[in-house]
Amino acid sequence: DAKTTQPNSMESNEEEPVHLPCNHSTISGTDYIHWYRQLPSQGPEYVIHGLTSNVNNRMASLAIAEDRKSSTLILHRATLRDAAVYYCILRRYLNTPLVFGKGTRLSVIA
Amino acid sequence: SQTIHQWPATLVQPVGSPLSLECTVEGTSNPNLYWYRQAAGRGLQLLFYSVGIGQISSEVPQNLSASRPQDRQFILSSKKLLLSDSGFYLCAWSSVIPEAFFGQGTRLTVV
Repeated sequence: DAKTTQPNSMESNEEEPVHLPCNHSTISGTDYIHWYRQLPSQGPEYVIHGLTSNVNNRMASLAIAEDRKSSTLILHRATLRDAAVYYCILRRYLNTPLVFGKGTRLSVIA
Repeated sequence: SQTIHQWPATLVQPVGSPLSLECTVEGTSNPNLYWYRQAAGRGLQLLFYSVGIGQISSEVPQNLSASRPQDRQFILSSKKLLLSDSGFYLCAWSSVIPEAFFGQGTRLTVV
């Protein structure tokens, strides 16, 4: 699977929007972009995924660059409960394992 | 609805003792099953995955093994634990939908 690059950590103020970047310059045409997050002492949870078009769900939005070499996870209003490690993962097929990198540790300040 | 059960939540075992962690999934058939480990302060490492009964793929050579005796049951084992086996063990499943679902994890401390 192609590799992703994320900043080690980011900080946000509560109630502010957060933009979490991910670079994936070696992405192939059939790779889906998945985002998961892991709260402290818990297993990861699915956030959102996309292929080419921007995606929105109740948790977040995913903005995908036109050349697909980068993407941004957008949390519209950060809350303290959003403090977690966010992972950007490329996944070619649905039955392939998720391979986690180091992710971005998001801190939210009240 | 689909649920995943993983137990025990915490475990303290002496070096050299055996290990058996069990994971079961409800509400879905023929899921893909995964075992991950997260050492303290480290990232999630894929250990094993299975696409069907008796089919196990190992990602990292070590003293752990996995088995899938039933469609929705995944077991992680070791004959003799090492100190380096300490960590947070997570079971997960995925199927035809894009999301993968993780259990609550087992925190293993080898002493």
